[in-house]
Amino acid sequence: QVTLRESGPALVKPTQTLTLTCTFSGFSLSTSGMCVSWVRQPPGKALEWLALIDWDDDKYYSTSLKTRLTISKDTSKNQVVLTMTNMDPVDTATYYCARILDGGYIDYWGQGTLVTVSS
Amino acid sequence: AIQLTQSPSSLSASVGDRVTITCRASQGISSALAWYQQKPGKAPKLLIYDASSLESGVPSRFSGSGSGTDFTLTISSLQPEDFATYYCQQFNNYPLTFGGGTKVEIK
Repeated sequence: QVTLRESGPALVKPTQTLTLTCTFSGFSLSTSGMCVSWVRQPPGKALEWLALIDWDDDKYYSTSLKTRLTISKDTSKNQVVLTMTNMDPVDTATYYCARILDGGYIDYWGQGTLVTVSS
Repeated sequence: AIQLTQSPSSLSASVGDRVTITCRASQGISSALAWYQQKPGKAPKLLIYDASSLESGVPSRFSGSGSGTDFTLTISSLQPEDFATYYCQQFNNYPLTFGGGTKVEIK
């Protein structure tokens, strides 16, 4: 079955760079149509899409955050990594990784990881 | 980026009620819309994709309709387990975008 799990620091300081890893199983990112995306949700607020990487290594980013985000994949390890630079307290959120087919809708989600930005 | 506006932002309803949530896109997105349900502390769950296709395992009381810019999610008879927040998401264009959510509460 398909599973995804996020890992990374629970606490980062302002101005630091956040690195999150999504480790998945049950599918391969080398299969045509497969994509992995990151979505975040500040406490009590709405979902916000961040970035996507597809089987062909094409990458797409949120317009408002694209200067701070980098997404990459390691197909051999079944991992996708998201880095976000210059973290700020407003970036405090639960970060989810998720599978998307053909750049469309999310059919599987990770459990999410809460990242708090505080000095 | 395409903006999705959901309405209402919250509603109160009783078990057995028919509930309708709308999602309006700032430009046409054909049928490239999905609906998700999220309960507190949990990841969202896919309900509807391609505007009107029911995800496997989702109860048939959930239905979706619309195309272009106007979409609806309908729960035909609200059940206790349906009290949650619902989000729409468009996948017609990058960047992908979500609506602001609709919280369905118990009256």
